[in-house]
This record gives sequence, C-alpha cells and structure tokens, in this order.
Amino acid sequence: QSALTQPASVSGSPGQSITISCTATNIDIELYNLVSWYQHRPGKAPRLMIYQASKRPSGVSARFSGSMSGNTASLTISGLQAEDEADYYCYSYAGNNTGLFGGGTTLAVL
Amino acid sequence: QVQLVESGGGVVQPGRSLRLSCAASGLTFSSFGMHWVRQAPGKGLEWVAFISHDGSNKIYADSVKGRFTISRSNVNDTLSLQMSSLRAEDTALYYCAKDRYSSSWSFDHWGQGTLVTVSS
Repeated sequence: QSALTQPASVSGSPGQSITISCTATNIDIELYNLVSWYQHRPGKAPRLMIYQASKRPSGVSARFSGSMSGNTASLTISGLQAEDEADYYCYSYAGNNTGLFGGGTTLAVL
Repeated sequence: QVQLVESGGGVVQPGRSLRLSCAASGLTFSSFGMHWVRQAPGKGLEWVAFISHDGSNKIYADSVKGRFTISRSNVNDTLSLQMSSLRAEDTALYYCAKDRYSSSWSFDHWGQGTLVTVSS
C-alpha cells in the first residue's frame, strides 16, 4: 500500500521556522521528483506552494522552500507569519498512473 | 487571470448520478491537463481523476474507477465529471484543478469547489 505520511499538526511562533515532513511508503519519490505542496486555508481554494520538490511558483514568498532526501520530502516555512496558518498537503505521482496526497498537516502560528 | 468555476453539485440519493462541470477562462484550455480533486467533510484532499490536454488519456483513482467519467470540451473550455452509482463516501467538496502543463502531476490553479452530498 502506497502512502505519504505527514504529521497531523505543527506549530511555531511568529518569526520562527518550521518544517513539515512528508514520508513516502512504496513510492519512489526521488525517482519521480514530482512532489508538490499545497496551502489550504478554510473556505479557500488550495494554493500551490512548491512543485518538483523544491521549485517555487512565481508569486509564492521565498519564505517557503522545499527539499527532498531519500523517501522524505519537506516543506520549510521561515519567518512564520499569522497568515501562514493553514493546512498543508504534500502530493506526489505514485506510479501506476495515480497520484496521492498526504494526510495534511495543520500549522498553528502561536 | 486563470479562473475555474465549478457547478453541478447538490444532494443526490445513493446509487444515483450527477454531473459536475468546470468552466475555465483566462488560459489556453486545450494546452493543459486537468484534474478533479475532492475533500470529504473533515478529511484531507483526495485526487480523483486526470484528463490530458486533448482528452486522449484519462486516469482515475481506484476509489472511483468504473463509476466516474472525466471529459472535456476544448471548444467550450469546459471540464466535466460524470458520477454514477454514487455512494455516501463520495460526499465531498469537488475541485477542478489545472495541471501545470500537460501532465506534471501538480496543480497550479484551483476552483472554489462544488459540494456533492450523497444521502437518502
């Protein structure tokens, strides 16, 4: 069974940095290099923050960065701001013509 | 700018059918793959289906395979999802999402979603 596992929640204070992990099981995320990250605020459409593990779309703050090592992708948010409070999802091509989201991580800015 | 507007959601009984639509504007629709993604109440995002830019390739999540059909009109710039044999577990907010290009398996624009409730 393929899966992308994220922590249920993370928190940080304004100005701090946090990292959200996304651990792949039975998916070779390094081979595919198609991990993306989405910010989802309540009542809003999800927003692409990172694609191909570490690339940032135009318009996304440089405070958001992505990386990948082995079977784990990570999203780091530096200089936390109150507006960063949201759910964050990783997503990857999972092989066999299917895609898979992680379970999502709720970020609280305390 | 790119706009995706979903419609067609509503309350439907189990076993019945429903057709969702997504009207696209502000882009050369025929150049991009398109996806449907859903979110059940209190749950995370779930990828549902993909269609290539020209409609020649269609891919489905196992949870909807054989029951849902994705299609598109590059004349009317519209994406559709025909849902049949609906189950309670199909209750969700359904988003249409634009692929970054033909089939990048990432979504750079999303609609606001249309709510489907399957209930007797």
